[in-house]
Amino acid sequence: QQKVQQSPESLTVSEGAMASLNCTFSDGTSDNFRWYRQHSGKGLEVLVSIFSDGEKEEGRFTAHLNRASLHVSLHIREPQPSDSAVYLCAMVSGSWQLIFGSGTQLTVMP
Amino acid sequence: ETAVFQTPNYHVTQVGNEVSFNCKQTLGHDTMYWYKQDSKKLLKIMFSYNNKQLIVNETVPRRFSPQSSDKAHLNLRIKSVEPEDSAVYLCASSWGSSQNTLYFGAGTRLSVL
Repeated sequence: QQKVQQSPESLTVSEGAMASLNCTFSDGTSDNFRWYRQHSGKGLEVLVSIFSDGEKEEGRFTAHLNRASLHVSLHIREPQPSDSAVYLCAMVSGSWQLIFGSGTQLTVMP
Repeated sequence: ETAVFQTPNYHVTQVGNEVSFNCKQTLGHDTMYWYKQDSKKLLKIMFSYNNKQLIVNETVPRRFSPQSSDKAHLNLRIKSVEPEDSAVYLCASSWGSSQNTLYFGAGTRLSVL
């Protein structure tokens, strides 16, 4: 069964310092990965979708994908307290299923 | 306002009862989904519904069933709830079934006593 592992479980950074989140997946069959954010009590907001090895930037959010090492990361530049949320990575499996990681709780201290 | 709307926000019930959750999207999307999010924040897809085609995750128990009147509505019915059904249920929609961009509702939290 395909799996997605996220680390760390929780991360605290100071406002303005780079925040880095990681995901490893169980196999290299997918070419479609996403990072989502979930504020408390809210729905999931897609941040970045990445489909090929390398880097994809969306504003302050940059995803790095390396399928050979089964790894995708998210870097948040100049994080703000409003970025405090749960961050979820996901990979597309087959034609329709999204496999999610268990999330990283990010806290940004002012 | 265009978004995905779920009702109720919370629901508490007892084992064996039937519950029904509503979901409506005003984004003009043609595909809707139901996800279950457990206490560890793990999201698992339950159903995908596109143009009257239902795709079911084979791990979903038969007591769960989706109900759709049109492409803007996809409700979720649980016939006889069990304790392990306690979770947050998230409805989502997208244009096409590729899920490149998923818009989620705020979720319905179910507690089964």
